[in-house]
Amino acid sequence: DAGVTQSPTHLIKTRGQQVTLRCSPKSGHDTVSWYQQALGQGPQFIFQYYEEEERQRGNFPDRFSGHQFPNYSSELNVNALLLGDSALYLCASSLGVGKKTQYFGPGTRLLVL
Amino acid sequence: GQQLNQSPQSMFIQEGEDVSMNCTSSSIFNTWLWYKQEPGEGPVLLIALYKAGELTSNGRLTAQFGITRKDSFLNISASIPSDVGIYFCAGHTNTGNQFYFGTGTSLTVIP
Repeated sequence: DAGVTQSPTHLIKTRGQQVTLRCSPKSGHDTVSWYQQALGQGPQFIFQYYEEEERQRGNFPDRFSGHQFPNYSSELNVNALLLGDSALYLCASSLGVGKKTQYFGPGTRLLVL
Repeated sequence: GQQLNQSPQSMFIQEGEDVSMNCTSSSIFNTWLWYKQEPGEGPVLLIALYKAGELTSNGRLTAQFGITRKDSFLNISASIPSDVGIYFCAGHTNTGNQFYFGTGTSLTVIP
């Protein structure tokens, strides 16, 4: 039973660039949520995708966008990168209905220089 | 957004001791999850709670969903060195339909 997978594991970008992160949910899950975790802090909710639509969004600017594909995998895109975007980006998968239980992937470490 | 406060912020304990930590909120939650995160890795789900008053165990770990639905507790018995990590609580509210995370409790176990 495959767990949540994310790619790449690490990424280095410069200010102003754009980045795309990818996530495949746990087998049987249909909902993907993205989180940003700065060093020493808890994960902050960015947005959630279900049935290929953004269902909920946290307090993040429009530079953060996403997409969900028919196979439930998802992408997180960040445009016009800022130094403050450096963080661990976590993907979590769950079922859209029923008990709310999330499983996280290993994360993508993004460094913006 | 919702604010979840975890305490204590950090703990240094001797191997074999029991550990208690808690998470409080100003809002009511319908689900509480507890995670453990080690450096450079994603959080690993430890225990899920779905009903007020629910008490659930996972090996040496026991968690409770507070009666008021505004808090949750995690206990670890007979700690061992591999318990080292940061423990996060997360609460879910149907109105916001998202999880809110606590600030984390850093646990260090001294052999």
